[in-house]
Amino acid sequence: AQKITQTQPGMFVQEKEAVTLDCTYDTSDPSYGLFWYKQPSSGEMIFLIYQGSYDQQNATEGRYSLNFQKARKSANLVISASQLGDSAMYFCAMSSRAGYALNFGKGTSLLVTP
Amino acid sequence: NAGVTQTPKFRVLKTGQSMTLLCAQDMNHEYMYWYRQDPGMGLRLIHYSVGEGTTAKGEVPDGYNVSRLKKQNFLLGLESAAPSQTSVYFCASSHGQGVSGELFFGEGSRLTVL
Repeated sequence: AQKITQTQPGMFVQEKEAVTLDCTYDTSDPSYGLFWYKQPSSGEMIFLIYQGSYDQQNATEGRYSLNFQKARKSANLVISASQLGDSAMYFCAMSSRAGYALNFGKGTSLLVTP
Repeated sequence: NAGVTQTPKFRVLKTGQSMTLLCAQDMNHEYMYWYRQDPGMGLRLIHYSVGEGTTAKGEVPDGYNVSRLKKQNFLLGLESAAPSQTSVYFCASSHGQGVSGELFFGEGSRLTVL
């Protein structure tokens, strides 16, 4: 069975600093996708970044990058130059065989302080 | 561009009442999903559909039924609501063309069962 683990319930970071949110996964499938979503206090789910299991390079999207270490089964999200608006819940997720639905971790709450 | 629309946004039910949540997408996506979000639990898959006329069970299907009579709509029904079904419900859709398919989410529907 697939499993996503986010071990950090809450994180603090100072504005303009970089922060890493941890995500480890477990799957026996050779082909899978890894996703990060942001959920601000308003509640919507915002897609941030995607990494495929066969992608050779780490994914980047603006200030977001995904540190993909396949052998360690980790897919950590790195946010550079944090902004106050980055304060939110962050979910790591992996695509599953069930209609390519995503299995989600329990999330990490990030608070960016001035 | 509406994307994924859920109705209603909020609802309060009494134990034993029934209701239906409606999800509509205008992106011509084949795949649709219903998740529930509870504090500290992340998002858990209730049911999903890989095309018009098809439905399948996810991780937590008990107490829910679904229908996909039209490609653009995915309905989630509660026949006899229970307090354990108090949650925020998210509908999502995707093109379903493999593990790289990003899920597009609705804004969520907050359901309280008294």
